[in-house]
Amino acid sequence: SQQGEEDPQALSIQEGENATMNCSYKTSINNLQWYRQNSGRGLVHLILIRSNEREKHSGRLRVTLDTSKKSSSLLITASRAADTASYFCATAPSNDYKLSFGAGTTVTVRA
Amino acid sequence: DVKVTQSSRYLVKRTGEKVFLECVQDMDHENMFWYRQDPGLGLRLIYFSYDVKMKEKGDIPEGYSVSREKKERFSLILESASTNQTSMYLCASSLVFNSKNQSPQHFGDGTRLSIL
Repeated sequence: SQQGEEDPQALSIQEGENATMNCSYKTSINNLQWYRQNSGRGLVHLILIRSNEREKHSGRLRVTLDTSKKSSSLLITASRAADTASYFCATAPSNDYKLSFGAGTTVTVRA
Repeated sequence: DVKVTQSSRYLVKRTGEKVFLECVQDMDHENMFWYRQDPGLGLRLIYFSYDVKMKEKGDIPEGYSVSREKKERFSLILESASTNQTSMYLCASSLVFNSKNQSPQHFGDGTRLSIL
């Protein structure tokens, strides 16, 4: 079964609004990664957060990690049409080294 | 800029055919991966390789094999294609991949494979 699961499955927002999506996982992890996938393309790595980190920023992206709740969130601020994509979290369990991907959150940014 | 190239974007094959999917990376990465992506299921790992001629099964290896003769190239082989192997196949590579540390994976654009 999938280690990480994103919520919501789909999100539609207006350009300029913020988008927040969450990822929950089941076992302890070494790190958690977020990826973006534009339609018909491969995944692009966005951000990696280690288990001893609580928050990380990259441009308009903010990722938080709460290991006590086994959850992470990805916030995209001031969204743009180009942010329309599917977003996946991937976890690296501490007792295994294979990345486990969730089913993704599909974000649509309306102009 | 890093680059993972998959030989075909779209491929149509017939049931029972032997199918080869090719992937090349130019980053001198030790680790390469093959995933399949199906709606609602996310990415599932088929096989990965941590060195030339070394391979390890992922979560769904049945019906597939792989070949890594050179560091930059990782091939996925469908021994006898079946309709349930119709999917999007994604190749990836990474610098570090062990039980203590995993670096980001770099993906190709995928091969959408249809088995008729």
